[in-house]
Amino acid sequence: GAVVSQHPSWVICKSGTSVKIECRSLDFQATTMFWYRQFPKQSLMLMATSNEGSKATYEQGVEKDKFLINHASLTLSTLTVTSAHPEDSSFYICSARGQATYEQYFGPGTRLTVT
Amino acid sequence: KQEVTQIPAALSVPEGENLVLNCSFTDSAIYNLQWFRQDPGKGLTSLLLIQSSQREQTSGRLNASLDKSSGRSTLYIAASQPGDSATYLCAAPNSGTYKYIFGTGTRLKVLA
Repeated sequence: GAVVSQHPSWVICKSGTSVKIECRSLDFQATTMFWYRQFPKQSLMLMATSNEGSKATYEQGVEKDKFLINHASLTLSTLTVTSAHPEDSSFYICSARGQATYEQYFGPGTRLTVT
Repeated sequence: KQEVTQIPAALSVPEGENLVLNCSFTDSAIYNLQWFRQDPGKGLTSLLLIQSSQREQTSGRLNASLDKSSGRSTLYIAASQPGDSATYLCAAPNSGTYKYIFGTGTRLKVLA
């Protein structure tokens, strides 16, 4: 149980375009999901907290107009990278928080390359 | 703000050795602490979750302890195997929240 999926697993896009990444909790409901990014050989940095039915809260330094987050249902959160630039190239990972133990379950990640 | 540190940054050991990975955190007002494993280019696999009221958790060859008063957690790996080679991350929540702050990880290599 407690499986989180992400789609796509990797994506290449041209500079200036937008890319949407989906995060789904497959066998449990998640009122809270988190989005992280990871640069090569670095640890994970929290970008934003996604709450079902309300606006996401962004960490300091993260541009909310660039990284649009939508959490429309208890099993789906999406991250849209708008007007992508090469510096947005990174590994994006989502997690969903279980309601009982507050353990976080992580997705397999999405590797974004902007050319 | 919570800061999480992991030592050593890298570790290379022969197969069969028992290992201790260390995680330190600055703010002890945490709800829980979680240990993860990350293989190259992959997402995170949860290994152990320790609630603030617990002192340790065990799963197979893995044992994690938590000492909130000293701001430390250790991950003990018994009888290491080459398949244990990965980066191990610990994460502790920012004070009074469930937002995880991750350590920089320990890159483990177990030699056959």
